[in-house]
Amino acid sequence: SSELSQDPAVSVALGQTVRITCQGDSLRRYYGNWYQQKPGQAPVLVIYDEDNRPSEIPDRFSGSRSGDTSSLTITGAQAEDEADYYCNSRDSSGQHLVFGGGTKLTVL
Amino acid sequence: QLQLQESGPGLVKPSETLSLTCSVSGGSISRSSFSWGWIRQPPGKGLEWTGTIYYRGSTYYNPSLKSRVTISVDTSRNQFSLNLNSVTATDTAVYYCARLLIAHDAFDIWGQGTMVTVSS
Repeated sequence: SSELSQDPAVSVALGQTVRITCQGDSLRRYYGNWYQQKPGQAPVLVIYDEDNRPSEIPDRFSGSRSGDTSSLTITGAQAEDEADYYCNSRDSSGQHLVFGGGTKLTVL
Repeated sequence: QLQLQESGPGLVKPSETLSLTCSVSGGSISRSSFSWGWIRQPPGKGLEWTGTIYYRGSTYYNPSLKSRVTISVDTSRNQFSLNLNSVTATDTAVYYCARLLIAHDAFDIWGQGTMVTVSS
């Protein structure tokens, strides 16, 4: 199992707000990043350093951290946001990178 | 616009070595702000960091694979490579290469991925 824990599945109604979380001790010391992956496609970086968005990512995506938990929030979820979401950071040793197990987001 | 492209055999026999190359175009692999990494994804499963390499050659490997994995860089060809030896069926996965933003531990540009199956 990964050092970063994510809920396997989350659902949200179209246009509503959803938060996806990533928990791990290393997140107290290191920043978390978030990726979106749609079926058959490579992952796309959507948030880095907890709350920074690459320029091409819509501003409905935001990030935050509290204690050992990083969160990805989608405000006004769209149908095209249905995807798997992964967090990544360093492991507890700080020497290696690690991904969370992923969260499947369903937009109802 | 930077692009990454994986190449290599799609089928590898058990106990043999999996070898993949990532070709980088649209920019130099020798920029100090970046490292270069491999991430794999078994069918239906999540992402697993395999390892990363800096253009000067320093490497970092997933501890679970460390004894079997080697990542190298060829700056003259603007490429980096993955070798994974003694493969088994559990190494069957889509293998992605990606650029790592060193200051952020974030992979910002990814290749399309290549499926590698380990089977006799």
